[in-house]
Amino acid sequence: GAGVSQSPRYKVAKRGQDVALRCDPISGHVSLFWYQQALGQGPEFLTYFQNEAQLDKSGLPSDRFFAERPEGSVSTLKIQRTQQEDSAVYLCASSFGRDYEQYFGPGTRLTVT
Amino acid sequence: AQSVTQPDIHITVSEGASLELRCNYSYGATPYLFWYVQSPGQGLQLLLKYFSGDTLVQGIKGFEAEFKRSQSSFNLRKPSVHWSDAAEYFCAVGARNTDKLIFGTGTRLQVFP
Repeated sequence: GAGVSQSPRYKVAKRGQDVALRCDPISGHVSLFWYQQALGQGPEFLTYFQNEAQLDKSGLPSDRFFAERPEGSVSTLKIQRTQQEDSAVYLCASSFGRDYEQYFGPGTRLTVT
Repeated sequence: AQSVTQPDIHITVSEGASLELRCNYSYGATPYLFWYVQSPGQGLQLLLKYFSGDTLVQGIKGFEAEFKRSQSSFNLRKPSVHWSDAAEYFCAVGARNTDKLIFGTGTRLQVFP
């Protein structure tokens, strides 16, 4: 079946602009995760949803970052007033739940100029 | 705090040679352990995972890894590398009471013909 999809694949934003990144998880997957991957680094956890509930947002770097998953399926990561340090690849992953492996999407590469 | 160390930033091998990528973790109990591979511009693909049981786990593409509790290690091995194995490899640890993954900084594998 279809894997995790993310859109857009590439996004260029001017500093100060707001951006919204979309994630479509695998159908039936309860858990959804967002990670941030800076150039040359491993992914770093941002936030986690179980269905529509955001159970962990400890990795969000500032209050400019906001994520939602209102119907327990599609999720959106929003970054307000983007800064250059926000430039990274944003990865979405989904899984059936605890004790199951996470499947990753291709990521959205955000470049803030 | 949980952490993952991949001591080798870059490894170069000849096609057909054996491969071992090192991974050490820090965690208070037995964690979930994963190896992912990332090709340029692609998302993360799961190679193998350890949850419990047999400490030698087999994965896709001919890879295997061995969990050694006494050494806090989960090294990835392949007996004969193919040119298509050139990619970035990430080791990750997951806590049993949460779902987020902690990644190492990755090892870039280059394969010479």
